[in-house]
Amino acid sequence: EPEVTQTPSHQVTQMGQEVILRCVPISNHLYFYWYRQILGQKVEFLVSFYNNEISEKSEIFDDQFSVERPDGSNFTLKIRSTKLEDSAMYFCASSEGRVQPQHFGDGTRLSIL
Amino acid sequence: AQTVTQSQPEMSVQEAETVTLSCTYDTSESDYYLFWYKQPPSRQMILVIRQEAYKQQNATENRFSVNFQKAAKSFSLKISDSQLGDAAMYFCAYRSAGAPNDMRFGAGTRLTVKP
Repeated sequence: EPEVTQTPSHQVTQMGQEVILRCVPISNHLYFYWYRQILGQKVEFLVSFYNNEISEKSEIFDDQFSVERPDGSNFTLKIRSTKLEDSAMYFCASSEGRVQPQHFGDGTRLSIL
Repeated sequence: AQTVTQSQPEMSVQEAETVTLSCTYDTSESDYYLFWYKQPPSRQMILVIRQEAYKQQNATENRFSVNFQKAAKSFSLKISDSQLGDAAMYFCAYRSAGAPNDMRFGAGTRLTVKP
């Protein structure tokens, strides 16, 4: 069964550095999402992406965050200047259509030192 | 804003027994979707079951079934004949039909299955 894949599984970065988290959504899916889960807390929606543009974003997704689909397969989340509070699990998800279920990747654990 | 509440941080069940995980949500919308996701120690979020709010019939997927009470805004998950592989964090999630990109999750319930 096709899967959403995320790399790396664990990223350790110094505070203030830029980080890029990568995702390969399921190939025939058109909608892409990023979520984050701070340790011990809820999974929180960050952003959704469709037709090469952001379709919706939460209040968490401020100017230090950006998303991109640089080619036909990858979907990336960039954090420009990381802060300690960005430490979390980041999940990528994709769905075939607007109302179809979202399929999640394994997540990237981001640790900011 | 829609919120999802899972009031049981941890649950335990004996192998082969049945367990019910609770979920309530708050919304003013009439059309939406509800989900249960499973997150085993391997971390991947796996869709367990999905319910459309306009459907009165409760969704069923093999050993997993839901009790959807729209008026009460309740969406519980029943796992029958529990297996060791069912041990995981279970998240209840809500998604509006009008804003499908915004999925709201509950805090999760950690299920332990005892042999």
